[in-house]
Amino acid sequence: AQKITQTQPGMFVQEKEAVTLDCTYDTSDQSYGLFWYKQPSSGEMIFLIYQGSYDEQNATEGRYSLNFQKARKSANLVISASQLGDSAMYFCAMREGRSQGNLIFGKGTKLSVKP
Amino acid sequence: ETGVTQTPRHLVMGMTNKKSLKCEQHLGHNAMYWYKQSAKKPLELMFVYSLEERVENNSVPSRFSPECPNSSHLFLHLHTLQPEDSALYLCASSQGSASPGADTQYFGPGTRLTVL
Repeated sequence: AQKITQTQPGMFVQEKEAVTLDCTYDTSDQSYGLFWYKQPSSGEMIFLIYQGSYDEQNATEGRYSLNFQKARKSANLVISASQLGDSAMYFCAMREGRSQGNLIFGKGTKLSVKP
Repeated sequence: ETGVTQTPRHLVMGMTNKKSLKCEQHLGHNAMYWYKQSAKKPLELMFVYSLEERVENNSVPSRFSPECPNSSHLFLHLHTLQPEDSALYLCASSQGSASPGADTQYFGPGTRLTVL
């Protein structure tokens, strides 16, 4: 079974609008971390935002926020006020508490921002 | 230099060549990682080093040989590769903490490898 599922291979959003990228995860651990990364066409993986399993509040970093619904095992990324530079692949990843450094990635969502 | 750097950025090699990928981190981290990203597949973890000791090896073929001489440098030595090894190879580093929240991985720009 997949540990990280991103069901949207591709998404389009109009510039200045908000967009939600979906991520669901599967783990039996109580302690885990969820990460979102952005990968432009240049290839570099850019860390965006982190949510811990014990965090009571949703994480926010500038225009990025994470809609964390623990009971549903979902950790959706919300990008507000989309910009043309947001066009990229977006990856959701999880690290289970018992594994040192082992980040499990989803297949990614390609976001295209239209002017 | 800041963050995580990788050289070369692009590499084309024949199946009989021997080459090495280099990664350097300037973040004072204790753990370093090699990932492989093939087209249409999720990122795959290859090797993990913590304090210069290999702690994880995800059943990677022996034609890939990692080396971590110190906590700032990581190499991936390549020999007798196959065309299916063509991919983007990404290096990352982190604090190496047991807590997921304190162990965010920061990536380099990657080496795009083509095996002919």
